[in-house]
Amino acid sequence: AQSVSQHNHHVILSEAASLELGCNYSYGGTVNLFWYVQYPGQHLQLLLKYFSGDPLVKGIKGFEAEFIKSKFSFNLRKPSVQWSDTAEYFCAVNGGSQGNLIFGKGTKLSVKP
Amino acid sequence: ETGVTQTPRHLVMGMTNKKSLKCEQHLGHNAMYWYKQSAKKPLELMFVYNFKEQTENNSVPSRFSPECPNSSHLFLHLHTLQPEDSALYLCASSQEGLAGGVETQYFGPGTRLLVL
Repeated sequence: AQSVSQHNHHVILSEAASLELGCNYSYGGTVNLFWYVQYPGQHLQLLLKYFSGDPLVKGIKGFEAEFIKSKFSFNLRKPSVQWSDTAEYFCAVNGGSQGNLIFGKGTKLSVKP
Repeated sequence: ETGVTQTPRHLVMGMTNKKSLKCEQHLGHNAMYWYKQSAKKPLELMFVYNFKEQTENNSVPSRFSPECPNSSHLFLHLHTLQPEDSALYLCASSQEGLAGGVETQYFGPGTRLLVL
């Protein structure tokens, strides 16, 4: 069965610090990978996605993620976080069945001003 | 706004009540989904409707009953729920191709359900 692991439950950073959130998945076939973000009181929004091609994916708001197939990883990065990045971040994987996204438990990011 | 709306946004119900959650998508998509989001657990896929046909139900208890009258509307009928069913219920939609393939899912704001 597919699964997604997000290593950190809660990350606390100061503004301008660099961010890396880990995401590992278990699925041996072709995968499609997503990062979603949920700002406080708001709905889930797509941050970025990887389907194929360049494994370094640029998303909105300065976020990027790198797909490393050999490590089954899709870590999210941002060189300099802002207070407005405070949110919960979810990694999701789709492999095999059409449309079935498997989500990680989420990582809560708190950025101190 | 993602083009996916859900009503009500909050719902409190007793274990003997019957209620329904509504989802509407304004994106012209052909697939819709119900997810359950509980504290400290991953989002759980409950139901998938693709081209109005249910294709997945992931062993959800029968006290949850989905209905998809057309490709723009999705309901989740609730009856005799348990307190552990309290959660955020999210609706999503996407455009799925006939030959398969994955497209991005767009989520609604959710219905916060509390079962007493």
